[in-house]
Formats: sequence, structure tokens, C-alpha cells
Amino acid sequence: DAGITQSPRHKVTETGTPVTLRCHQTENHRYMYWYRQDPGHGLRLIHYSYGVKDTDKGEVSDGYSVSRSKTEDFLLTLESATSSQTSVYFCAISESSTYEQYFGPGTRLTVT
Amino acid sequence: AQSVSQHNHHVILSEAASLELGCNYSYGGTVNLFWYVQYPGQHLQLLLKYFSGDPLVKGIKGFEAEFIKSKFSFNLRKPSVQWSDTAEYFCAVTLGISGGYQKVTFGTGTKLQVIP
Repeated sequence: DAGITQSPRHKVTETGTPVTLRCHQTENHRYMYWYRQDPGHGLRLIHYSYGVKDTDKGEVSDGYSVSRSKTEDFLLTLESATSSQTSVYFCAISESSTYEQYFGPGTRLTVT
Repeated sequence: AQSVSQHNHHVILSEAASLELGCNYSYGGTVNLFWYVQYPGQHLQLLLKYFSGDPLVKGIKGFEAEFIKSKFSFNLRKPSVQWSDTAEYFCAVTLGISGGYQKVTFGTGTKLQVIP
């Protein structure tokens, strides 16, 4: 398995609180991605990064922000968590956007 | 906009049955194609990929897929499934153009349940 870790692995938080999820890679891959996975919706891209400090929005970016200050770390922040953001969040990496992606173990987030 | 269709949302098979999961995509240019598998409670893992060359691609665990350009299809097959193949399977496509960001589009997945 590719060297990707996510933290925390599980989190329960209350509506309105900020939440930050961390993705860490040891593969030195250029691209990093944040997805959410919900029943009936498959995988949906939230944000992606193509280098340090280079990020862009995906298809479901509202309510989320990201930062990448180092090649190995990609942070996803929910500024003010809502119940609709209850989901499983996966980080992924790839050498090129046209190559295969390697996924982290996921973070299960529950917003009450 | 490119799209990926997986026609079967839920497939139930008995052990030793043959498997074929459909995947069709909308884009007619050069594409890179992938199948990923997600075992219960786990993350997605790459099963196989097609970039160019032989349209019959062999992956891990006895899976294979055939790229048929004229049909815009990349169906996944396995001659004889095992209980351990119970999982969700995702097809994905991206444009096969180097340089710059190319969006990856995932299908909505097919849940395979194999009955012992």
C-alpha cells in the first residue's frame, strides 16, 4: 500500500464547530485529493492540489477549504460543520492526474 | 462533460459463477481507464488500468477488463468469483492527455455480493 495516512480516523463533532482533517503522504506525489463518499453518490471530489500552495475546487467544495504548505501534507477544513457534511472522507494521491490514484484509509466524520 | 455509467448497482452471484460488470464512458478521445475495488470498511484499491496497447488488461486477483473503443466500454470480468470478492467496484476514466490537470470521473459503483 502507498504511504498515505489520514487523521483522525473517526471524529464526532457538533454543528457549527470547525474541523480539520489531515492527509499525510510519504510518496512525494504531486497530486493530492480530498473526496467524500456517501451512499448513492459514490465518490465526489471536494478539492485537489497540484503542488505546494496550489489547490483548486472540485465538484462539492462549498463549506470546505484546503491547504497544502508541504508536499506531504494536505489539510481539509470544515469551517463550520453541518449535518450534511457527515460522511466518510478519503484522501488520495497520484503522480499525475491521468495516472491511478492511491487512497488513504478514510476518516469517518459525524456531525451531530 | 465526461461521464461514466455503471449499469448494475447491485449484483448477487454464487461462488464459482462468472462475473461481468459493465462500464461505459462518454468521452470519445484518448482515455485512461481504471477499475478500483473497495472491500467492506476499507478504502479504494486499484484492480487494473488501461492506458494503451493490448485492450485486454489483466489485473490482480484474477480480474481482467476489455477496452472496446467502438463501444466506449471497459467491462470488468472474472471467470469464477469467490466469497472474498464481495466488495464494491468502481470504474473511473480520465483523459489520456499529458500535462496539466485532467479530471478523473468515477462511476457510482457496483456492489457485488458473492454467496457461498
